[in-house]
Amino acid sequence: DAGVTQSPTHLIKTRGQQVTLRCSPKSGHDTVSWYQQALGQGPQFIFQYYEEEERQRGNFPDRFSGHQFPNYSSELNVNALLLGDSALYLCASTQGSYNEQFFGPGTRLTVL
Amino acid sequence: QKEVEQDPGPLSVPEGAIVSLNCTYSNSAFQYFMWYRQYSRKGPELLMYTYSSGNKEDGRFTAQVDKSSKYISLFIRDSQPSDSATYLCATGSNTGTASKLTFGTGTRLQVTL
Repeated sequence: DAGVTQSPTHLIKTRGQQVTLRCSPKSGHDTVSWYQQALGQGPQFIFQYYEEEERQRGNFPDRFSGHQFPNYSSELNVNALLLGDSALYLCASTQGSYNEQFFGPGTRLTVL
Repeated sequence: QKEVEQDPGPLSVPEGAIVSLNCTYSNSAFQYFMWYRQYSRKGPELLMYTYSSGNKEDGRFTAQVDKSSKYISLFIRDSQPSDSATYLCATGSNTGTASKLTFGTGTRLQVTL
């Protein structure tokens, strides 16, 4: 049973560029959440998708946007990258209203 | 003030020791609690999930929740070098849907031979 997968593993971008990160949830899961984890910090909630709609959103600017596809996979898009966007981006999945969230390995984004 | 406070450590213990990791939280709306283990440059791995005050045991791990004090703990018995990782506490609210998780900063644990 495949767990949560994310791609790419690493990414290097320059300021002002745009980036798209991808996530496939654990088999049977329909809800995807995205988190940003800066070095030495705990993950911070960005937003959550369910039934292809954004259901909850954390305190992140509109430069952060997302999408969920009919197969429950999801994308995170970040526009106009800033140096401060450098972090590990984590995707977590769960099924329906279950509280336990299972994380993928993350995508490490470096903005130069 | 952060909603979830956690000592970042590092915490160094000898192999075989009992480890105690702790978090405090400020929001009474938080109703369920999790502990994740995160190895360097990896994603968090769910260790324990609990939603009521009291203890929950799973092998060498025991999660303890005291909602009256807003205090949560994770105990690791017979610690092993493979337990060396960052331990994150997380909490959320029952909203009828899968809630966002609020995390502590993580405690880095080193178990030495």
